[in-house]
Amino acid sequence: IAGITQAPTSQILAAGRRMTLRCTQDMRHNAMYWYRQDLGLGLRLIHYSNTAGTTGKGEVPDGYSVSRANTDDFPLTLASAVPSQTSVYFCASSGLAGSREQFFGPGTRLTVL
Amino acid sequence: GDSVTQMEGPVTLSEEAFLTINCTYTATGYPSLFWYVQYPGEGLQLLLKATKADDKGSNKGFEATYRKETTSFHLEKGSVQVSDSAVYFCALSDPLSYGGSQGNLIFGKGTKLSVKP
Repeated sequence: IAGITQAPTSQILAAGRRMTLRCTQDMRHNAMYWYRQDLGLGLRLIHYSNTAGTTGKGEVPDGYSVSRANTDDFPLTLASAVPSQTSVYFCASSGLAGSREQFFGPGTRLTVL
Repeated sequence: GDSVTQMEGPVTLSEEAFLTINCTYTATGYPSLFWYVQYPGEGLQLLLKATKADDKGSNKGFEATYRKETTSFHLEKGSVQVSDSAVYFCALSDPLSYGGSQGNLIFGKGTKLSVKP
């Protein structure tokens, strides 16, 4: 089934630990995005990638890094997790520029203690 | 910068009631506008979209019209069902935001809708 998969579904993490959230899409979309969703704040963009090999910073990039080695995968890494990074993380993708619709993964619920 | 403001919830309606969720925006360029829906425990799904002024997006009985003069994109449905209970997000995509991200979305804070039988 075409779409976006994210792993893990949920995770509890001790503060200071490193964590990578995985995101894979099979729609051959050029652009990919990472958002965090927090109650009362909606979704905020963390990082984006317009195409494989390029990445950019969104609204709330601090404490996060991404890579885009190929079209399909866009992992998000927390180098040293802090409690304020407790959130639900969504990965999304979109096709060629001009088609602004984004497709979302099911999300990863992360709790940092 | 670009922003989206939508009415705060939660909104509670009886089945078959009329729904309006207000959404207004500010944008640098000429954005596309979207409504996304998030059912409990799931990711976001596109509900409808409009790419230019006066366009009307529609899907599953929901409608929204892109009003450039009032910078609005209000979501409406004539008769809601229990299955419409979800969180609704208004969003815009402006190619001039974030220094060149091709189409990242800027979201409102979401409006939770509960429909009672």
